[in-house]
Amino acid sequence: DAGITQSPRHKVTETGTPVTLRCHQTENHRYMYWYRQDPGHGLRLIHYSYGVKDTDKGEVSDGYSVSRSKTEDFLLTLESATSSQTSVYFCAISGQTYGYTFGSGTRLTVV
Amino acid sequence: QKEVEQDPGPLSVPEGAIVSLNCTYSNSAFQYFMWYRQYSRKGPELLMYTYSSGNKEDGRFTAQVDKSSKYISLFIRDSQPSDSATYLCAMTYIIQGAQKLVFGQGTRLTINP
Repeated sequence: DAGITQSPRHKVTETGTPVTLRCHQTENHRYMYWYRQDPGHGLRLIHYSYGVKDTDKGEVSDGYSVSRSKTEDFLLTLESATSSQTSVYFCAISGQTYGYTFGSGTRLTVV
Repeated sequence: QKEVEQDPGPLSVPEGAIVSLNCTYSNSAFQYFMWYRQYSRKGPELLMYTYSSGNKEDGRFTAQVDKSSKYISLFIRDSQPSDSATYLCAMTYIIQGAQKLVFGQGTRLTINP
């Protein structure tokens, strides 16, 4: 997707290991978001950021932390991955009054 | 009760049919109403948005909002196999200066040739 990239695209990790997902934008947007998408639950907000070093929790933030040291990068960390965190993770950016632009997603499997 | 309710389907229709996708919501603070389309293994992409009651057309797509009933719809005319995707309704409100999107569960649509 133009202006927003996520890495890695796929990852398999073991239970109990730390995992960091990266979201990078080139649009200079203020707001960045992390969502997870699961069957039967749709898209659920994990954390969001409204500026450098300014972050807040979403509806499913337990077990996740985030950091934003630069406008362009928003990191999502699973401190100790669990099988319930197997999901597809999407980053989104917003700089307008409506709608988000989403990245292509990271498919994470915790075994 | 979820803030936004959407029938997850799946919905399967023949090519050329008119498709109707619907969502209901409970929060009167929602300001913008959107439809996203998501192809398999891709991120959602904004398809249409509106902020007032009434209809908005864009080609074969029509978005309809009824704020009094807290109901939104997306109509697809002359549906094509390329329209096969998951469609998510979404609504926004502003909290602490940040735009917050709340999504429906998504409806999986298949258009059969």
